Amino acid sequence: KAGVTQTPRYLIKTRGQQVTLSCSPISGHRSVSWYQQTPGQGLQFLFEYFSETQRNKGNFPGRFSGRQFSNSRSEMNVSTLELGDSALYLCASSLGTGVDFEAFFGQGTRLTVV
Amino acid sequence: AQSVTQLDSQVPVFEEAPVELRCNYSSSVSVYLFWYVQYPNQGLQLLLKYLSGSTLVKGINGFEAEFNKSQTSFHLRKPSVHISDTAEYFCAVRAIYNFNKFYFGSGTKLNVKP
Repeated sequence: KAGVTQTPRYLIKTRGQQVTLSCSPISGHRSVSWYQQTPGQGLQFLFEYFSETQRNKGNFPGRFSGRQFSNSRSEMNVSTLELGDSALYLCASSLGTGVDFEAFFGQGTRLTVV
Repeated sequence: AQSVTQLDSQVPVFEEAPVELRCNYSSSVSVYLFWYVQYPNQGLQLLLKYLSGSTLVKGINGFEAEFNKSQTSFHLRKPSVHISDTAEYFCAVRAIYNFNKFYFGSGTKLNVKP
């Protein structure tokens, strides 16, 4: 089956701009989580969406937001970009309920803020 | 909340030698334990997971890990490494009730030398 698809793979933005990243989960998966990966802070949980509702949230400022659509695709938005937002953003897809023991990760979107 | 400590940031090893990557965790609730591997500019791939039962779990590519509840450890081992095992390895935990919210360690870079 098709894996988790993240678009775009690479992005360069200027400070102060905003950006939207997209994640298409595995078919049938209703949970999508987002992570930020940086050399200094490692992998940090941003938020999780399940059936179009935010179910969990990490400790990131309000500039980071997300949403999930009825087909389970998710978008993450970062407003007023800062240099420190440069990172690899990963999304993870899982069933989100019942017998759910595994998450599948996409290849990530590499965001560079200049 | 949960936390994960990977004791070694880098592990150099010669090809065909055994290797152990160490992981300790902390949690006040029951958790599942995972090891993921990340190749350069890629997402995370699941190596193995511990859910319950036998404390020795086997994963892909010849890796195995042992869960030790008393020491709250989940060390990853491979009896004979290959050049292709060169990558970064992440230990992660997830509360059993939090489907898609992982806490990751800081990662261990395994460098396999010929």
